[in-house]
Amino acid sequence: DTGVSQDPRHKITKRGQNVTFRCDPISEHNRLYWYRQTLGQGPEFLTYFQNEAQLEKSRLLSDRFSAERPKGSFSTLEIQRTEQGDSAMYLCATHPGQANTEAFFGQGTRLTVV
Amino acid sequence: QKEVEQDPGPLSVPEGAIVSLNCTYSNSAFQYFMWYRQYSRKGPELLMYTYSSGNKEDGRFTAQVDKSSKYISLFIRDSQPSDSATYLCAMTYQGGSEKLVFGKGTKLTVNP
Repeated sequence: DTGVSQDPRHKITKRGQNVTFRCDPISEHNRLYWYRQTLGQGPEFLTYFQNEAQLEKSRLLSDRFSAERPKGSFSTLEIQRTEQGDSAMYLCATHPGQANTEAFFGQGTRLTVV
Repeated sequence: QKEVEQDPGPLSVPEGAIVSLNCTYSNSAFQYFMWYRQYSRKGPELLMYTYSSGNKEDGRFTAQVDKSSKYISLFIRDSQPSDSATYLCAMTYQGGSEKLVFGKGTKLTVNP
């Protein structure tokens, strides 16, 4: 257990529905990242927060995706009007923000869009 | 061409074998190099973390970075069935978001 908690672990939804995932980071970690991992691929960067500020978004993050980190604590990732191509593992990672230190990943939320 | 290339395997070895896993990359700005292990349906866990070129050893694991060739390796000695997992290389550079760029991962099976 890395201390990064993600909820839910698995979500099955119908195409067109909205879904929201939550990540609770290690408390002293000011950096938070969301990644997406599809079958047979490595994780791909989606977005980055430093405290409550969303500082970088990947072009993978279409306008159907939105992420927040109110008060620099937990973060949510929402997908609106889900599509089958959104089926993937969504991973949250947190980092203490100091040089030469590692990022810790949560166990991920596996999304299946049917 | 992807920034980080990794042969997805699969790789199957007998217990006790030495395993060699490799990645190449194209972005010379990368400074930090990592190897993650990922079991099925779990999040990645960090195995090795290396800054710049050189070797780093931790128990049965050795990570090598050759920045001149843009090539990194992970060696596993005396491999065990519990080492069966997908191994992901990842890298980043200091500054900005320091987001990780991953390879595809290599699926390793160690047979008893």
